[in-house]
Amino acid sequence: EAGVAQSPRYKIIEKRQSVAFWCNPISGHATLYWYQQILGQGPKLLIQFQNNGVVDDSQLPKDRFSAERLKGVDSTLKIQPAKLEDSAVYLCASSLAGQFYNEQFFGPGTRLTVL
Amino acid sequence: GNSVTQMEGPVTLSEEAFLTINCTYTATGYPSLFWYVQYPGEGLQLLLKATKADDKGSNKGFEATYRKETTSFHLEKGSVQVSDSAVYFCALSDTSTGNQFYFGTGTSLTVIP
Repeated sequence: EAGVAQSPRYKIIEKRQSVAFWCNPISGHATLYWYQQILGQGPKLLIQFQNNGVVDDSQLPKDRFSAERLKGVDSTLKIQPAKLEDSAVYLCASSLAGQFYNEQFFGPGTRLTVL
Repeated sequence: GNSVTQMEGPVTLSEEAFLTINCTYTATGYPSLFWYVQYPGEGLQLLLKATKADDKGSNKGFEATYRKETTSFHLEKGSVQVSDSAVYFCALSDTSTGNQFYFGTGTSLTVIP
């Protein structure tokens, strides 16, 4: 079974530029998550989708971050414009359904450096 | 609110030493507890989990027991190997917040031969 795919693996941009990350979850997984992991910290949830609907985006900085999952499968996370403090690893995860006991499967992440 | 507190690292052990990584939590509902491991250059992988009080999760020689009375989920392994070198994250998922995970800050483990 293929795992969660993410691209690109690395991205370097200058502040005020835009960037987009892509995630393809495990086939059949209805729930998709985007996390931000700053160096030395644990992952922090940015947004959670159930199929193509948003379940929780309370920690998403909506003035600059946006995410979509139009067909309920793959997803895109965008930052526009980027700030220095956005430098982090962006992790995508998926699970079968949004049950609290369900395991989340993580992709390898995209490491973003903002200069 | 919900939070996870993990022991500070980094931790360095000799091969075959005993490992304990402490994890305590605060939850508003009835949480499930998880340990995830992140090997160098890889994504997070589930190591073990426990969904109710007194459950013991185990995998690859690692164990953790869900202690409601002490709100703890400490990770243990009797004899570590070099291949266990990784960052370990304690996490909880709470019934009151759907399947949102709250992660600790991670503990880096290095095992030397």
